[in-house]
Amino acid sequence: EVQLVQSGAEVKKPGESLRISCKGSGYSFTSQWIGWVRQMPGKGLEWMGIIYPGDSDTRYSPSFQGQVTISADKSTNTAYLQWSSLKASDTAIYYCARTVDSGYVGFDPWGQGTLVTVSS
Amino acid sequence: QSALTQPRSVSGSPGQSVTISCSGTSSDVGRYIFVSWYQQHPGKAPKLMIYDVNKRPSGVPDRFSGSKSGNTASLTISGLQAEDEADYYCCSYAGRYGVFGGGTKVTVL
Repeated sequence: EVQLVQSGAEVKKPGESLRISCKGSGYSFTSQWIGWVRQMPGKGLEWMGIIYPGDSDTRYSPSFQGQVTISADKSTNTAYLQWSSLKASDTAIYYCARTVDSGYVGFDPWGQGTLVTVSS
Repeated sequence: QSALTQPRSVSGSPGQSVTISCSGTSSDVGRYIFVSWYQQHPGKAPKLMIYDVNKRPSGVPDRFSGSKSGNTASLTISGLQAEDEADYYCCSYAGRYGVFGGGTKVTVL
């Protein structure tokens, strides 16, 4: 069974750094792109970026370029999303998902989501 | 980049058909065949319903179908059922990155 398991909920203060994770299993982790999607409280989905774990090729949405860093560790089948300085507006649920199409918009399956709360 | 435009809500009675539109531009929906649709129930992760405009992943009922014409993609749910009540999002490739629609709430009357 293809599965993506994300790290647990985080509560951070503005200005702090954070890295959340997404561990894949049940498929060839290095051979398919993994993406990250943000969902702010009560809002819609936002495409953040994707990474190809095989060679760490990464693409970002212009809205998130420079705001977050996406990385992957082939040895542990884990993708990461990180912030160097969190803001209150980063409060959201973050999902990782594997892509199944060539346009990086067909995501299946999805991780369970990681709730990040940034508050002073 | 701007989000794709979807109606805020659509509704229908059980057994009826509803269609959700997803309006983009010639730089995203109009240019590429990479359009997907997601269903999201409250408190749950999204679920892929359609990809590559009209392909259904294994396990998705054939009541769900996708299409595209020009800069607008559409998701049709035929034979509406109570469990179809959820939020639906479209997503399109826009050249090196993707963009989601704002979401549509489907209500089963």
